[in-house]
This record gives sequence, structure tokens and C-alpha cells, in this order.
Amino acid sequence: AQTVTQSQPEMSVQEAETVTLSCTYDTSESDYYLFWYKQPPSRQMILVIRQEAYKQQNATENRFSVNFQKAAKSFSLKISDSQLGDAAMYFCVIYGGSQGNLIFGKGTKLSVKP
Amino acid sequence: DAGVTQSPTHLIKTRGQQVTLRCSPKSGHDTVSWYQQALGQGPQFIFQYYEEEERQRGNFPDRFSGHQFPNYSSELNVNALLLGDSALYLCASSSLGTGTYEQYFGPGTRLTVT
Repeated sequence: AQTVTQSQPEMSVQEAETVTLSCTYDTSESDYYLFWYKQPPSRQMILVIRQEAYKQQNATENRFSVNFQKAAKSFSLKISDSQLGDAAMYFCVIYGGSQGNLIFGKGTKLSVKP
Repeated sequence: DAGVTQSPTHLIKTRGQQVTLRCSPKSGHDTVSWYQQALGQGPQFIFQYYEEEERQRGNFPDRFSGHQFPNYSSELNVNALLLGDSALYLCASSSLGTGTYEQYFGPGTRLTVT
């Protein structure tokens, strides 16, 4: 079974500052993918960033980057230069190669203060 | 390029009734997954359809059933509705045929059971 744990129910960041959201996971799969999804109050789930487990290099998408520590089964998201539009619920998600479904963490609610 | 669409947006049903939710995948995608998201929780996997067959199923009772059509669109049916079925139902599409594992989500259908 695969599990995802997000230990920070809520986080807050000042506009233009940097924030890091934490995530740990557990899986028996050798081939898997990790994602961060964002769900704003409008409820549309949006893919923020993906990481293939076989890649050692951390993924980066503009202001979003991850710190992927495979041995520690840790997958944190760093948001640089935070903007008001970054306010949302952020979900850490795992997809196992032999499974068809995404496993979501419980989410971290991020607030951005002007 | 149209993204994932879902209908209806909102739905109110009475306990014991039946409901059908609809989803059209993103252009080029052949796989549809359904998730249930209770208030304040991460989405839970219901089932996935590929090539008009249920490929995988999560821990949901048989009251939840689905279908995929030749044009890849999908329906989720829930029979004998319970109050606990009130949730946001999310449809996500991907492309197993091309090995694309990212799932792109629709805006969801908010189901309220009274």
C-alpha cells in the first residue's frame, strides 16, 4: 500500500517570501511518480510540478521547485517569491507504476499575506 | 484545446435516489479516473476506466458504478444515495496509451444528498 503524509495542515507566508511545504511518503513500488497539486477555492485541481522517482535531479517549474530525497522518502515543495494567487490547498500525491490511481495526502492550506 | 469538463456543476438529491455524473476527458486522453473529495479532505480514488473497461477500483461499494464510451467520455453512477455520499466528485483524465501518467482534473461536481 502507498501512503502520503503531510504534517502541516496550515501554513502562512508573506507575499514575495519563500515557503516550503513538507511531505513524506511510503511505497513498495520501484517505479513511481510524485506530484504536487494545487486546489484554489475555485476547487479546480491544478498540477503544479512532477518528479519521476528514477530521476535524481530535482524538478523545477518557474517559482516552484522540489527537494526529492528518495532514501528518506521525502518530497517537499518550495515556492519562491510567493504571490497572492498561490493561496490554495496543496496536495502531495504519489502514483505507483503498477497502480492506476493517485494517492493524495490530506493537504496543506497555504495563506499568502499581502 | 478543451480541458476536462464535467456536468452538472452542482446537484442536490434525496437519500435513496440515484445520480449520474458525466465527464469528458482532455483532448488526446484515453483514460478517465473518478475521485470523491469530502469536505476538508484529499480526494479518494473510486475507479478508473481505460478502453471502456474498469481497470482498477478503490474501496467503494457496488453502489458506485461507471461506464466509458467509445469517445472516451465517462459516467459515474451512484445508486441508493446516502447522506455520506455528499462530496465533490472529481474526474481526471490521462493517457495510458502513451504512458502519460499525469492526471488532469475537471472542475468537479458538487453533490449534496439531503
